[in-house]
Amino acid sequence: GAVVSQHPSRVICKSGTSVKIECRSLDFQATTMFWYRQFPKKSLMLMATSNEGSKATYEQGVEKDKFLINHASLTLSTLTVTSAHPEDSSFYICSARGQARVYTQYFGPGTRLTVL
Amino acid sequence: KQEVTQIPAALSVPEGENLVLNCSFTDSAIYNLQWFRQDPGKGLTSLLLIQSSQREQTSGRLNASLDKSSGRSTLYIAASQPGDSATYLCAVLNSGNTPLVFGKGTRLSVIA
Repeated sequence: GAVVSQHPSRVICKSGTSVKIECRSLDFQATTMFWYRQFPKKSLMLMATSNEGSKATYEQGVEKDKFLINHASLTLSTLTVTSAHPEDSSFYICSARGQARVYTQYFGPGTRLTVL
Repeated sequence: KQEVTQIPAALSVPEGENLVLNCSFTDSAIYNLQWFRQDPGKGLTSLLLIQSSQREQTSGRLNASLDKSSGRSTLYIAASQPGDSATYLCAVLNSGNTPLVFGKGTRLSVIA
C-alpha cells in the first residue's frame, strides 16, 4: 500500500517555541492532505484539510494562526505549531489522499508533541 | 453532519472468546467504511475497508459487515488473542471531497 511518513516522530519543546511537523507521501502524489489531532484515549479530531497549492481549510475551533499548514508540493505538507503551550501537547497524525485513489486515505505514523 | 458512534467504549474478554464491536453512523450516504486498529502511542493500521455496495469483508480472524441502510457496521473477531488488545476505530467516508470521520473507538483488552 501507499506510504506516508511523518517527521519527527517525537518532539519535546519549551513553551513559547514553534514546532514544525513534516508529512510526506513517499510513493504517490497527494492532492489532499489532512491533519488530525488526538488526545490521550480519545479519537482523532480533524484539524484541517489542505489541497496542494491552496490555503488550508480549518475545522471550527481550530486557530489557523496557531496551527500553520503549508501544502506547497504534491508530496509534502507541514504543520507548524506556533508559540506552543502545554495544552498543545498531543499526538498529531497526517493523512494523504491521491489523485488516482481519491477514496482512500493513507495515514502517517503520527508525531508525539510534548510542550514543557 | 456525519457522526460515528462506537459501542462499547471499552471491552475486556478472556482469550479465545469471539467478540463483536459495533459502529453506527448518522448519514447513510457513505462511500465506504473502514476499520482501523491503533496500539497505544502508535499510528493507525487499516484492517478492513468495505465499499458501500458490499455487505462484508473478511481478513483472517476478522470479519466486518455493513448495513448501509440502517447505518451500522460490526467488526467480528474470532478466537481472540492477547495480541488483539488495542483500540479499534471505525471511520466512514461520504465522498471524495470529504475526510474520513472517526468514531471514538473501542478499547479492547484480551486477557490471557
